[in-house]
Amino acid sequence: KQEVTQIPAALSVPEGENLVLNCSFTDSAIYNLQWFRQDPGKGLTSLLLIQSSQREQTSGRLNASLDKSSGRSTLYIAASQPGDSATYLCALTGGGNKLTFGTGTQLKVEL
Amino acid sequence: DAGVTQSPTHLIKTRGQQVTLRCSPKSGHDTVSWYQQALGQGPQFIFQYYEEEERQRGNFPDRFSGHQFPNYSSELNVNALLLGDSALYLCASSQGGNYGYTFGSGTRLTVV
Repeated sequence: KQEVTQIPAALSVPEGENLVLNCSFTDSAIYNLQWFRQDPGKGLTSLLLIQSSQREQTSGRLNASLDKSSGRSTLYIAASQPGDSATYLCALTGGGNKLTFGTGTQLKVEL
Repeated sequence: DAGVTQSPTHLIKTRGQQVTLRCSPKSGHDTVSWYQQALGQGPQFIFQYYEEEERQRGNFPDRFSGHQFPNYSSELNVNALLLGDSALYLCASSQGGNYGYTFGSGTRLTVV
């Protein structure tokens, strides 16, 4: 059974800082990894999708990497802003196409 | 381009009642999945529909059932509601599984 862990569970940083969120998984037989953002009480917004043949994806200030052999993915956020404050979730698809989620990292960027 | 649309946004029900939640997928998507998210937790997979059939199911009791219509929209039904069913219910659509998932804003269900 795939298990996904996100560390840290919560993070508070000053504005402008670069930061890394971590996601680890137990079964390397994955198809895709997707990072999402969730604002309080809201749905999920897709940030980046890394397909199984890829090692990283970039969008603006965000960069996500995937290392299937070590069971790890990182989300790098450059020059953080207060608007980046949210919960960040990683999710994997393995056999059957369902998403398996981590419990998320709650990020607060302070002025 | 409309994304995934869910209705209603909020719902309050009494224990023992039944509820139906609705989802319209993103244009061009043919697969719909439902997730339950308890407070402070990651979403948990309920089931997935493709070509009007349940293709995969998570670890949820038979009280949770669903349907997909010919236009790809979907319903989630929950019978005999329990207090523990209170959660945010999320619908996600996709075109196959290789191109990622798009989520709706969710339905907040409160069971009292």
